[in-house]
Amino acid sequence: GENVEQHPSTLSVQEGDSAVIKCTYSDSASNYFPWYKQELGKRPQLIIDIRSNVGEKKDQRIAVTLNKTAKHFSLHITETQPEDSAVYFCAASKGNYGQNFVFGPGTRLSVLP
Amino acid sequence: GAGVSQSPSNKVTEKGKDVELRCDPISGHTALYWYRQSLGQGLEFLIYFQGNSAPDKSGLPSDRFSAERTGGSVSTLTIQRTQQEDSAVYLCASSQLFGTSGRTSTDTQYFGPGTRLTVL
Repeated sequence: GENVEQHPSTLSVQEGDSAVIKCTYSDSASNYFPWYKQELGKRPQLIIDIRSNVGEKKDQRIAVTLNKTAKHFSLHITETQPEDSAVYFCAASKGNYGQNFVFGPGTRLSVLP
Repeated sequence: GAGVSQSPSNKVTEKGKDVELRCDPISGHTALYWYRQSLGQGLEFLIYFQGNSAPDKSGLPSDRFSAERTGGSVSTLTIQRTQQEDSAVYLCASSQLFGTSGRTSTDTQYFGPGTRLTVL
């Protein structure tokens, strides 16, 4: 089955710097890759997602890149702010029919003022 | 509109007792997922319902765990003879498979607030 790895497990950056979180997946059939942000004590919330027919997607300070050949995708946050501090989860799914999502173990991001 | 809701928000039970956790998905969402999240850990998939299809139970950790979804809407997760290691936050998510929802994909999962289960 699918296996999703995520690195780093923790990441500290200075406010205003960029943060990059990387995930790899094992199943080449996976074609949907969402990223979720979970603040302490709250539910995970989708922040951005990408499908395998797209190499990059951007939404304001957040971008995701996908390398299908290497089977990895990355979350990029620019101009980080303290409110970006949270745990970020990547996930991989096989497609349009709501099949199993496999989540990465998470990255705890701390943005230091 | 209303999001995914779960009840109770907190549940404390004694070892060996049965518990039922409830999930109300977003209206019209045909897919429903249950996850378990231990303290400081990631999301562990438990079970997935899609329409009238047989549920994918591949993530259930033991036969003490079961779930049902009545009428394609509300779902209950039942844990029998609870153990201390069952203590975790149980999260439910739903997704819409068809139609559009702005810039997000139709696979997007929307999570409920979770039920924090503590087994003493």
